[in-house]
Amino acid sequence: EIVMTQSPATLSVSPGEGATLSCRASQSVSSNLAWYQQKPGQAPRLLIYAASTRATGIPARFSGSGSGTEFTLTISSLQSGDFAVYYCQQYNNWPLLFGGGTKVEIK
Amino acid sequence: EVQLVEYGGGLVQPGRSLRLSCAASGFIFEHYAMHWVRQTPGKGLEWVSGISWNSGNIGYADSVKGRFTISKDNAKNSLYLQMNSLRAEDTALYYCAKDRGSFGVVTSMDVWGKGTTVTVSS
Repeated sequence: EIVMTQSPATLSVSPGEGATLSCRASQSVSSNLAWYQQKPGQAPRLLIYAASTRATGIPARFSGSGSGTEFTLTISSLQSGDFAVYYCQQYNNWPLLFGGGTKVEIK
Repeated sequence: EVQLVEYGGGLVQPGRSLRLSCAASGFIFEHYAMHWVRQTPGKGLEWVSGISWNSGNIGYADSVKGRFTISKDNAKNSLYLQMNSLRAEDTALYYCAKDRGSFGVVTSMDVWGKGTTVTVSS
């Protein structure tokens, strides 16, 4: 079974700075990877699918890259609403799997 | 407006059963795969089960395989999760989620409900 590993677990960033989040799959998932944002008390929100395609309504400051086993979510110039937990998810095979998440907190 | 509303959660004893439902509206339900995802308080997301648009392809997490059954009633715009032999570790907030792609293979989840809480305890 595929294992999805996200790093770092917590990222402390000042507003206006950029952030780079990593997601690694234990075996290739091609480009079948999505990123989600979750704020406290809310359901997750789809940000990126197919590794690099922004979902509807997602600002351009969110970008995804990678394929195979190594993926990156980059957030340029963090705004107050961007401080949240971010999850990657592979959908190359059943069972679908989420990473453990990266919490982006205010520095 | 695209909307998913889950219900059926509650307090249940270990070993008992519970059925979750998800009512969908605002999109052509029969065209889309659907999923159940759960989250323990303070923890991460765990995909539980998914079902393709025509119910021809179904998957489960290893942790629930053999105990949970997902089903989809396109005539009622509803998704279900029958949970049997419940354990304390099944305690979580259960989300219903819509797959982003129509027909085809399952992918990512672009619409989520607010969730329904399941507590397994004696």
